[in-house]
Amino acid sequence: QVQLQGSGPGLLKPSETLSLTCTVSGGSVSSGNYYWTWIRQPPGKGLEWIGYIYSSGSTNYNPSLKSRLTISVDMSKNQFSLKVTSVTAADTAVYYCARDGAFGPGAFEIWGQGTMVTVSS
Amino acid sequence: SSEVTQDTAVSVALGQTVRITCQGDSLRTYSASWYQQKPGQAPVLVIYVKNNRPSGIPDRFSGSSSGNTVSLTITGAQAEDEADYYCHSRDSSGNYWVFGGGTKLTVL
Repeated sequence: QVQLQGSGPGLLKPSETLSLTCTVSGGSVSSGNYYWTWIRQPPGKGLEWIGYIYSSGSTNYNPSLKSRLTISVDMSKNQFSLKVTSVTAADTAVYYCARDGAFGPGAFEIWGQGTMVTVSS
Repeated sequence: SSEVTQDTAVSVALGQTVRITCQGDSLRTYSASWYQQKPGQAPVLVIYVKNNRPSGIPDRFSGSSSGNTVSLTITGAQAEDEADYYCHSRDSSGNYWVFGGGTKLTVL
């Protein structure tokens, strides 16, 4: 059974780079036709799709964040990662990693537990 | 702002039926998924591609669509169904994913 575990620093200062990692267990990040996805949720607010990296290596990013985003895969560690540059308080959120593709695109069937990231000076 | 919109809050009496809706032009073309989120927890997929339930989701959850509206129906709502519900689909370009703003369901 595939599980996702997100990790990364919980506190950043404005203008720093947010770096999060999602470790995949019970399966391989390099096998299957999956979209390895990042989603975030500001405190008390709704969900926002950030972007994904497909098993082929192609990426797709939320256009409102695209200029600051990088999503990548490290097959040797069975992980995928998110980098967001030049963070501000508006990037404060719980960041979830998720898998999409088992039921066709657009159904995030597995989620990580969420990583709270706070941006504050 | 989201390209798919939901009512902010809905309530239902215990054991009754409730419908949670999501509207948007993209929904005329693309199917939607629904997620349930309880406080402090990650969302859980409850309906995908119109009206399919993942294993483990009770059959009181069902999905439907008509025109620019998709709906999640809970038939015989239980206390444990009290949660936030989010719809999810493509944006109007078809290139990106969007979530609705979420509907808080209260079971009375």
